[in-house]
Amino acid sequence: DTAVSQTPKYLVTQMGNDKSIKCEQNLGHDTMYWYKQDSKKFLKIMFSYNNKELIINETVPNRFSPKSPDKAHLNLHINSLELGDSAVYFCASSQARTGAPYEQYFGPGTRLTVT
Amino acid sequence: SQQGEEDPQALSIQEGENATMNCSYKTSINNLQWYRQNSGRGLVHLILIRSNEREKHSGRLRVTLDTSKKSSSLLITASRAADTASYFCATATMDSSYKLIFGSGTRLLVRP
Repeated sequence: DTAVSQTPKYLVTQMGNDKSIKCEQNLGHDTMYWYKQDSKKFLKIMFSYNNKELIINETVPNRFSPKSPDKAHLNLHINSLELGDSAVYFCASSQARTGAPYEQYFGPGTRLTVT
Repeated sequence: SQQGEEDPQALSIQEGENATMNCSYKTSINNLQWYRQNSGRGLVHLILIRSNEREKHSGRLRVTLDTSKKSSSLLITASRAADTASYFCATATMDSSYKLIFGSGTRLLVRP
């Protein structure tokens, strides 16, 4: 069974559209993350939820809105897509106990292409 | 700004040789982690070293941490073609945000 899964794997859309990416983890972890990896492979944290509570909200345009319906799911909705949003988006999860980050488990990524 | 900087950016070696990658960071950390990313895939956790540890081993991997120099190194011994991937260091900050800050990565090519 896939530990962290994301859908879709590929997403091609036009500027101005709204799209969502879904993530699910079956590891029983409390914490989930969204990362953006640009064309130079630089990986940057966007958001993190712990037990459905938003705990990390980096400097991300408010066109990006995460939603965590339960601790096994973290979705990412993007409004009014722009060319610069083209990237690979990774979901990850971890069991962060005592406030210290433990290893993170990553999904396979969603390659978003905005034309 | 980006926490981790990795060196070299790219490394090409022959199968059987050792590969060493270095990571430098800027602020105090709780722990440092190394991840591997195969082309077109997600990241896979390799090893975690805490700020009070100096060296850690896992199979063919050896990680060192020097908090006085704010640097870490990852050594892969007896490399294999299957080790070809990008390797990232990630630092965990001292606050309680569970945040990992990733370095720029080293692209490793192991030639058969």
